Amino acid sequence: AQSVSQHNHHVILSEAASLELGCNYSYGGTVNLFWYVQYPGQHLQLLLKYFSGDPLVKGIKGFEAEFIKSKFSFNLRKPSVQWSDTAEYFCAVNSYTGNQFYFGTGTSLTVIP
Amino acid sequence: NAGVTQTPKFQVLKTGQSMTLQCAQDMNHNSMYWYRQDPGMGLRLIYYSASEGTTDKGEVPNGYNVSRLNKREFSLRLESAAPSQTSVYFCASQTFWENEQFFGPGTRLTVL
Repeated sequence: AQSVSQHNHHVILSEAASLELGCNYSYGGTVNLFWYVQYPGQHLQLLLKYFSGDPLVKGIKGFEAEFIKSKFSFNLRKPSVQWSDTAEYFCAVNSYTGNQFYFGTGTSLTVIP
Repeated sequence: NAGVTQTPKFQVLKTGQSMTLQCAQDMNHNSMYWYRQDPGMGLRLIYYSASEGTTDKGEVPNGYNVSRLNKREFSLRLESAAPSQTSVYFCASQTFWENEQFFGPGTRLTVL
């Protein structure tokens, strides 16, 4: 079975600081990779996704992620966070032909004004 | 276009009571999913339905049943609720071509 690891459980940053959230997955085949965001009291929304092509993927609100196949990683980055980025962030993976998504345990980000 | 809708938004049950969580999507997606979200554990798949007429167990199916009523609707039933089922439940549906999941607003369930 596939698994997803998010190593940072809770991150606290000041506004304008840079962000990098780690995500590693275990699966030997072709995968699709996703980052979802959950703002307080809301449902999950897609932040960005990678299927193929350029391993550097740009998403909404200035977020980007880099797929490094050799490291089985898909880390999320943002150069300068804002207070409104306070949320929980989930990395997810599914196989190219699979129906199931596998989610990480999430990283709670708190941005201090 | 409402996307994925869930009812109810909140529910409090006593141990042993039963209830059904409803989910509907209007995006003509084939696949639908039920997850539970617990602190520190992320989202865990309870059941999914790859297409109308089929259902499969996910990671944590015990204590739950599902029904794929038609292409739009996928319900989750707790026959005899237990405190361990206190959680936030999310329904999702998935596109085939883009493999992207769309989530509903969630149901916050408390079992006393």
